[in-house]
Amino acid sequence: GAGVSQSPSNKVTEKGKDVELRCDPISGHTALYWYRQSLGQGLEFLIYFQGNSAPDKSGLPSDRFSAERTGGSVSTLTIQRTQQEDSAVYLCASSLVAGLDNQPQHFGDGTRLSIL
Amino acid sequence: AQSVTQPDIHITVSEGASLELRCNYSYGATPYLFWYVQSPGQGLQLLLKYFSGDTLVQGIKGFEAEFKRSQSSFNLRKPSVHWSDAAEYFCAVGRRDSGGYQKVTFGTGTKLQVIP
Repeated sequence: GAGVSQSPSNKVTEKGKDVELRCDPISGHTALYWYRQSLGQGLEFLIYFQGNSAPDKSGLPSDRFSAERTGGSVSTLTIQRTQQEDSAVYLCASSLVAGLDNQPQHFGDGTRLSIL
Repeated sequence: AQSVTQPDIHITVSEGASLELRCNYSYGATPYLFWYVQSPGQGLQLLLKYFSGDTLVQGIKGFEAEFKRSQSSFNLRKPSVHWSDAAEYFCAVGRRDSGGYQKVTFGTGTKLQVIP
């Protein structure tokens, strides 16, 4: 597509439920990144994919968080047994190739997740 | 580890006035530097980037930034602010990790308010 697409745009769920967030990168972009943006905070790196592989998962805050990417395109970020501190905006970005320095990341509009 | 500091959480300027948003970084080598803008409810849009060469970088929407190695700064400037520039601005620094991945660290952002 023309830009990075994220769904849903807003998600409200009860504490303890599982949620899945979806990211559809720009067509042809092989690198995909997930960030979390909490109120008053900068962007916290979660994980990135080059193709279907995730070389760096160091930012995932706990084992309740997981992500996958299939077909080198769409990625889903799953949060199990959600907690109130998981409330944030989850941003996805893509770039042509992760290792190319002159390739900026293009961001989606994010999913605003609220845990009640 | 790299870090980014944006010392101003909130700035208010009059429409037509000049603007300077401060950004300081901490990184041992020459970093890759970015400025992004985020309008409410939207993702981040790249304003400009610095990788090498001329230390004064021109970006979109009339913005420019100057890389000053001696001061570890990459301040964003605009000669005359428009009401539509009201948004949150993020400075970011990138580096290559051992896997060749461009890891980007974001500052906590500066919210710009423009008054008539």
